[in-house]
Amino acid sequence: GAVVSQHPSRVICKSGTSVKIECRSLDFQATTMFWYRQFPKQSLMLMATSNEGSKATYEQGVEKDKFLINHASLTLSTLTVTSAHPEDSSFYICSGLTITGELFFGEGSRLTVL
Amino acid sequence: DAKTTQPPSMDCAEGRAANLPCNHSTISGNEYVYWYRQIHSQGPQYIIHGLKNNETNEMASLIITEDRKSSTLILPHATLRDTAVYYCIVRVAGGNAGNMLTFGGGTRLMVKP
Repeated sequence: GAVVSQHPSRVICKSGTSVKIECRSLDFQATTMFWYRQFPKQSLMLMATSNEGSKATYEQGVEKDKFLINHASLTLSTLTVTSAHPEDSSFYICSGLTITGELFFGEGSRLTVL
Repeated sequence: DAKTTQPPSMDCAEGRAANLPCNHSTISGNEYVYWYRQIHSQGPQYIIHGLKNNETNEMASLIITEDRKSSTLILPHATLRDTAVYYCIVRVAGGNAGNMLTFGGGTRLMVKP
């Protein structure tokens, strides 16, 4: 299957700082990428849909000013958690949509805010 | 996307077949059944998908009932590395509508030696 890579896989930051997570489709072009968040022992929750060259669409309850999404190219989408707080600690996962409509997921990025 | 119902957990002996059921009684005619699994602290991994015919690949088999209201994922010879949470999802394949995946609770499969 297609490969989606996330970086960093783990990040620890101080409260109040911003953290950027990158999501790259390595062997396909993803016009659409999705960002999910997963808390311990819970299922994945969709945060936003990112379309190349346009603004992201956020799910209800997700603050767009706190979770900045940029999809500047067909192979890269970034999620920036601004002014992170301990409650933002979570497992963040992206997925890329292939031209044939299949979805492939990144390895996830675990954010810990101290 | 249609809702799916899965048992929260299952156990399976190593080397035996693991049969994971999924109910999707409200599935629409153009919705596919997708299976993903998530090993601890990793992103979901695609396993298999199908519309109405049974499907098989190197990882698993997917059996879909004739009325398409339920399906079963079969891991023919489960190994310890198959311990994971298995998600059954229905969605429209391709296009823009419904391309996101809505994850339910999944089934936590524990393969035991």
